[in-house]
Amino acid sequence: SYVLTQPPSVSVAPGQTARITCGGNNIGSRSVHWYQQKPGQAPVLVVYDNTARPSGISERVSGSNSGSTATLSISRVEAGDEADYSCQVWDSNDDRPVVFGGGTRLTVL
Amino acid sequence: QVRLVESGGGVVQPGRSLRLSCAASGFAFTSYPMHWVRQAPGKGLEWVALMSNDGNYKYYADTVKGRFTISRDSSQNTLFLQMNGLRVEDTAVYYCARQAATTGYYYNYMDVWGKGTTVTVSS
Repeated sequence: SYVLTQPPSVSVAPGQTARITCGGNNIGSRSVHWYQQKPGQAPVLVVYDNTARPSGISERVSGSNSGSTATLSISRVEAGDEADYSCQVWDSNDDRPVVFGGGTRLTVL
Repeated sequence: QVRLVESGGGVVQPGRSLRLSCAASGFAFTSYPMHWVRQAPGKGLEWVALMSNDGNYKYYADTVKGRFTISRDSSQNTLFLQMNGLRVEDTAVYYCARQAATTGYYYNYMDVWGKGTTVTVSS
């Protein structure tokens, strides 16, 4: 089955840009989706289909995907961005179609 | 407003059973595939099961196959997860989630999530 690899943690100072990676074999050929999860809360979709943002998600959040790495970027980071971020793809060749990365804790210094 | 509300969690001994429910409101329940996703303490999200919008297709993670059963009742707008033979490693918050869809097209991500219900398996 397909495997997604994320760094366990990323730290960034307020006002800087945070970049969270999601690695997978030829992931650039797939659609990658990203979820934000704050402590004690349910996940929230923040990017879908590599680059699209749902209604209500800040323009500071963006996504990219190429080669073996997809990236979620958050510009002008604020304390309120501190959360866990998980990437997800759909593996249509598998009868276990939903694959999540292990998640990355974003810490705002 | 679109809403998913899980219930049925609790503390249960290993080997016992539990049935989770997810009440859906604010959208056409029969038009959407639905998922269960869990999160063990301090761990990442783990997909558990998927049921097609018409109930004809079900898919399970290897870790729960043969023990858990996903079902849905369109008359009640409710998704269920019957969990049998529970193990300590099934301890987690269980979320139900809606797979995004428009008329005749299903997207590959989940756009609405419930707040979750906690299952603790312990002797």
